[in-house]
Amino acid sequence: GNSVTQMEGPVTLSEEAFLTINCTYTATGYPSLFWYVQYPGEGLQLLLKATKADDKGSNKGFEATYRKETTSFHLEKGSVQVSDSAVYFCALSGGRDNYGQNFVFGPGTRLSVLP
Amino acid sequence: DAGITQSPRHKVTETGTPVTLRCHQTENHRYMYWYRQDPGHGLRLIHYSYGVKDTDKGEVSDGYSVSRSKTEDFLLTLESATSSQTSVYFCAISAGSEKLFFGSGTQLSVL
Repeated sequence: GNSVTQMEGPVTLSEEAFLTINCTYTATGYPSLFWYVQYPGEGLQLLLKATKADDKGSNKGFEATYRKETTSFHLEKGSVQVSDSAVYFCALSGGRDNYGQNFVFGPGTRLSVLP
Repeated sequence: DAGITQSPRHKVTETGTPVTLRCHQTENHRYMYWYRQDPGHGLRLIHYSYGVKDTDKGEVSDGYSVSRSKTEDFLLTLESATSSQTSVYFCAISAGSEKLFFGSGTQLSVL
């Protein structure tokens, strides 16, 4: 079945440091890939997405490129801020008709950014 | 922001008691989901619905039941709560496979 693997962290960085959170996936067919972010005490919200190979999703300075050859979707940001402290989830949507099974999440990576 | 309301936000209950969590949406989205979030496991799907009275099981459905009698409401019931069901529960909605919108979560403690 479909699965998502990501570094669990926690990841602690200083402000303005470069961020990479690795994500790899296993899926049949051609899934859509997502990064969701969860701020303390809140639900998850979509950060960015990519729907086909070589697509780059971007939002709020974060980027991720859909790499089919390496089955990866690594999240990057060139200069993190304290306000980026959150838990980040990599996820995929398998595109099958069974929508309830479509979304598969990684375990989440906690990021702490220190001033 | 998508209109999703979960209630209650916090609940403390005793082992063996029934508990019902409610998810209400104002978006008229077809698909609704219940997830639980636990450290080290991320989000795991409990049950989902693809229409009124149409529901199916997710990967961790044992001990849970759901009902959807109206498009806007999706109820999650723990018939007899156990300590292993202590968790944070999230409702989510979707109009298709592209994006999920999440509620703010319900913190459930079973003592």
